Amino acid sequence: EPEVTQTPSHQVTQMGQEVILRCVPISNHLYFYWYRQILGQKVEFLVSFYNNEISEKSEIFDDQFSVERPDGSNFTLKIRSTKLEDSAMYFCASKEAGARTGELFFGEGSRLTVL
Amino acid sequence: AQSVTQLDSHVSVSEGTPVLLRCNYSSSYSPSLFWYVQHPNKGLQLLLKYTSAATLVKGINGFEAEFKKSETSFHLTKPSAHMSDAAEYFCVVSFTGGGNKLTFGTGTQLKVEL
Repeated sequence: EPEVTQTPSHQVTQMGQEVILRCVPISNHLYFYWYRQILGQKVEFLVSFYNNEISEKSEIFDDQFSVERPDGSNFTLKIRSTKLEDSAMYFCASKEAGARTGELFFGEGSRLTVL
Repeated sequence: AQSVTQLDSHVSVSEGTPVLLRCNYSSSYSPSLFWYVQHPNKGLQLLLKYTSAATLVKGINGFEAEFKKSETSFHLTKPSAHMSDAAEYFCVVSFTGGGNKLTFGTGTQLKVEL
């Protein structure tokens, strides 16, 4: 069964360092998303991406964040200069083209710990 | 604006007894509603979804949910809990025209005891 894969599963970094979280969406999907879940809090929308550009972003997604689809398979989230409060589980998701209310398929998450 | 409220942060049931996880939503437009489950150290898995078809939706692992517009509710039920059902459950809403941005509830931790 096709699935969304994320790497790394866990990353520990020092405050101020750059981090890149990688995602391989399901191959025929065209819509891509990043969500995050700070420990003990709800899952929050960060950004959606379609047709090689950001289609929507939340207030959380400030200038420290960027997304990219560098090739036909990967979808990355970069945090330029990490802060303590960026520590969270980051989930990538993808959706196939077609119905606008289709199911999002989520990866298993990348846990980021900023020290 | 859309929002979703999960009324219970923790629910504990005995194995073999019914499960009820409550969810109420608020949406200015016709909503799509989902229940996702997250097992420890795992990703988010879709249990079921409502997208304006039948109001009683059946999902995987024996779960079902009923969309009640008059009560703005989408409660998740299962007739008989199994130990493997222990997990965190998220009620999620999106609406047509919302770009598929999902709004998550705060989650309900389900504990199943022998």
